[in-house]
Amino acid sequence: ETVLTQSPATLSLSPGERATLSCRASQSVSNYLAWYQQRPGQAPRLLIYDASNRATGVPARFSGSGSGTDFTLTISSLEPEDFAVYYCHQRSNWPLSFGPGTRVDIK
Amino acid sequence: QVQLVQSGGELKTPGASVRVSCKTSGYTFTTYSLTWVRQAPGQGLEWIGWISAYNGNTNYAQTLQGRVTISADTSTSTAYMELRYLRSDDTAMYYCARDLGGGGVAAFWGQGTLVTVSS
Repeated sequence: ETVLTQSPATLSLSPGERATLSCRASQSVSNYLAWYQQRPGQAPRLLIYDASNRATGVPARFSGSGSGTDFTLTISSLEPEDFAVYYCHQRSNWPLSFGPGTRVDIK
Repeated sequence: QVQLVQSGGELKTPGASVRVSCKTSGYTFTTYSLTWVRQAPGQGLEWIGWISAYNGNTNYAQTLQGRVTISADTSTSTAYMELRYLRSDDTAMYYCARDLGGGGVAAFWGQGTLVTVSS
């Protein structure tokens, strides 16, 4: 089973700052890594798929990179609505799996 | 537009079973796979399983293997997730999600169904 580890667990930043979130896989997932955003009381929302492709309607301030076992989600300049929890998810190896999440909160 | 509408909340006793439905619309049902995910209160996302709506192939989380069954009814464009032998730690919000098209990328989500297991 592929285990995803996310760091940091919590990121405290101010609006306008840059956020860098990390996801590491216990074995290669090629580029089959997605990122989701979840706001309180809402279903998750797909942001990035296949490591670096933005989903429809996702602002350009969100970008993804990486391959193999190490991946990064970058938010170039935080907007108030970006303070949320972010999960990575691999679809390379069965069973599929999610990371434990990174909470981005307001400093 | 793509829509996934889930059945209402459920209250179950330990040992019982629950079946959650996910009625889809706005696309050709058999073209895309569906994923089920759950989230215990205050916790992260847990992948439950996946079904190909095209041929009915499934794959499940190891931790739930033997207790969970995912199915799809092509005549009504509805997917189902059944969980048996419920325990208190099965209390969670259960989500269905439609694939983006690449297999396993959950792009369109239902509103969630809260399943509470309590005696």
